[in-house]
Amino acid sequence: QVQLVQSGAEVKKPGASVKVSCKASGYTFTSYGISWVRQAPGQGLEWMGWISAYNGNTNYAQKLQGRVTMTTDTSTSTAYMELRSLRSDDTAVYYCARSKRYSGSYLFDYWGQGTLVTVSS
Amino acid sequence: AIRMTQSPSSLSASTGDRVTITCRASQGISSYLAWYQQKPGKAPKLLIYAASTLQSGVPSRFSGSGSGTDFTLTISCLQSEDFATYYCQQYYSYPGTFGQGTKVEIK
Repeated sequence: QVQLVQSGAEVKKPGASVKVSCKASGYTFTSYGISWVRQAPGQGLEWMGWISAYNGNTNYAQKLQGRVTMTTDTSTSTAYMELRSLRSDDTAVYYCARSKRYSGSYLFDYWGQGTLVTVSS
Repeated sequence: AIRMTQSPSSLSASTGDRVTITCRASQGISSYLAWYQQKPGKAPKLLIYAASTLQSGVPSRFSGSGSGTDFTLTISCLQSEDFATYYCQQYYSYPGTFGQGTKVEIK
């Protein structure tokens, strides 16, 4: 069965960076992309970006351009999301999700369990 | 970006009730509409895609309809495990955007 298992919770100071991992199993990793979606406390869902596990192409949300980097390691079927220059409003649960592109955007059919990132001084 | 507006924002219902949630897009999205269910402390789960196609393993009491700008999610006979927050998402154009969510609570 498809599983996405994420790394554990993180606490970071403002200005620091965080790197979250997402290990995939149960499917051919390179046949799908991975998107990252975050959810601030008590808020809705915000798409952050997508990476192709096939060729490493990326597509980032405009508001995060320059602060976010998504990578994959096909040898371990793991995706990574690094967010730099953290601010308090980056405090959120970060999800990875298996993604397929349709029309202009992405559908998310399987999700990781989420990683809480807390930014606090 | 396309704005997705759900209504209501929350509703109270009893087990066995028929529940309908609507989602309106600020411009036409054909049938590129998905519905997700999220329970507290858990990741979202895909229920429906292409506006009306049930994801594998999702109970048949869930159904979706609509195209263009207006969509509905219907739960035909609410079960205890269906109390959750539901989100619509358009994947017609970049960036994919979500509705603000509809919380289904126990009456």
